[in-house]
Amino acid sequence: DTEVTQTPKHLVMGMTNKKSLKCEQHMGHRAMYWYKQKAKKPPELMFVYSYEKLSINESVPSRFSPECPNSSLLNLHLHALQPEDSALYLCASSPTRSNTDTQYFGPGTRLTVL
Amino acid sequence: AQSVTQPDIHITVSEGASLELRCNYSYGATPYLFWYVQSPGQGLQLLLKYFSGDTLVQGIKGFEAEFKRSQSSFNLRKPSVHWSDAAEYFCAVGARTSYDTVIFGPGTSLSVIP
Repeated sequence: DTEVTQTPKHLVMGMTNKKSLKCEQHMGHRAMYWYKQKAKKPPELMFVYSYEKLSINESVPSRFSPECPNSSLLNLHLHALQPEDSALYLCASSPTRSNTDTQYFGPGTRLTVL
Repeated sequence: AQSVTQPDIHITVSEGASLELRCNYSYGATPYLFWYVQSPGQGLQLLLKYFSGDTLVQGIKGFEAEFKRSQSSFNLRKPSVHWSDAAEYFCAVGARTSYDTVIFGPGTSLSVIP
């Protein structure tokens, strides 16, 4: 099984809502990532969990909060988002956090903030 | 600093024609290089990668890429394009920053004319 699954596929939320994005992999990978991707742009890394340790892109605002309940699951909690946060949110995993490892991407969650 | 450029924002080719997508990198040491493809509304999929050894790398879906250190390039090629190859293509380099493990180029959008 080389699949990374993400739910939901689409999400529309208001600026006062709280929602969560979910990501799951069963490849035994020990690194998981959240990326944000705007249209016609490359993915931008937001967070990395590697062996349950979190690394953060310091440019990511605090209204995004990652959670890693176990090595197979990765959540992204959303609160008080802004319209400019509308984007495709991609989850990925890799065997380790090595820069030689292939990252396996999920299909993404298309988020629209009204 | 590590960086990746893809000079062509958009390329259109006819089905059956050959394809070359350009990628240039900036890196102080031997780079780890990747090509990913993203179909519309999907996540990214690895086409091929180069770490060392033979500078001509074979990938999936009939793609190949050639590493040229003297030109700091890692161009992607395919001898005969299929309509299903229409997608966004990202070149990437393995990174060594505090959080990034891979740095993506800006992407090249490929359109295929039947």
